[in-house]
Amino acid sequence: NAGVMQNPRHLVRRRGQEARLRCSPMKGHSHVYWYRQLPEEGLKFMVYLQKENIIDESGMPKERFSAEFPKEGPSILRIQQVVRGDSAAYFCASSPSSYSYEQYFGPGTRLTVT
Amino acid sequence: GESVGLHLPTLSVQEGDNSIINCAYSNSASDYFIWYKQESGKGPQFIIDIRSNMDKRQGQRVTVLLNKTVKHLSLQIAATQPGDSAVYFCADSRGAGNMLTFGGGTRLMVKP
Repeated sequence: NAGVMQNPRHLVRRRGQEARLRCSPMKGHSHVYWYRQLPEEGLKFMVYLQKENIIDESGMPKERFSAEFPKEGPSILRIQQVVRGDSAAYFCASSPSSYSYEQYFGPGTRLTVT
Repeated sequence: GESVGLHLPTLSVQEGDNSIINCAYSNSASDYFIWYKQESGKGPQFIIDIRSNMDKRQGQRVTVLLNKTVKHLSLQIAATQPGDSAVYFCADSRGAGNMLTFGGGTRLMVKP
């Protein structure tokens, strides 16, 4: 029973490049959350998606960041024109429905911007 | 929970002792609370959760206590083991399907 999968696990980008982070939720889960974690800090909510819908994007920066969860395939968090401040660990969590409290986290993608 | 952006507070305990990790949350509307364990380089791992209609819940070697009056949450780990060494985060949400708000975390170090 595979858990939440994220890839790549580590990503290095130069300033100005684009970063694409992928998340495959647990089998049977149709809800995905993205969080960002800076070193020595707790996770900060970014966006909540259901298949083909953005439910809550109140934590997303207004520019350069976007997220999608298509009908087929993984959820994608896209960061355009990355800057050094985007360096962080990005975690995806999934849950089976909007009635579920529990969120199950993936191993994260560690983005380094040089 | 509230992340204050400082170096993580550290709790150092002897193997076999009990550990108590505390957390404050700020949102009075939160009705679900959860503790996660995060080991270095890994994602948060579920430990135990509690709904706001309860003030105590027990799992295997772990107990969560909730005091809604002072908006305080604690995690008790009995007979702490070296494998318990990790960073522990509390998180709260306003209900099913809502985002989690994480606290700043506590690093637990278990001395053999």
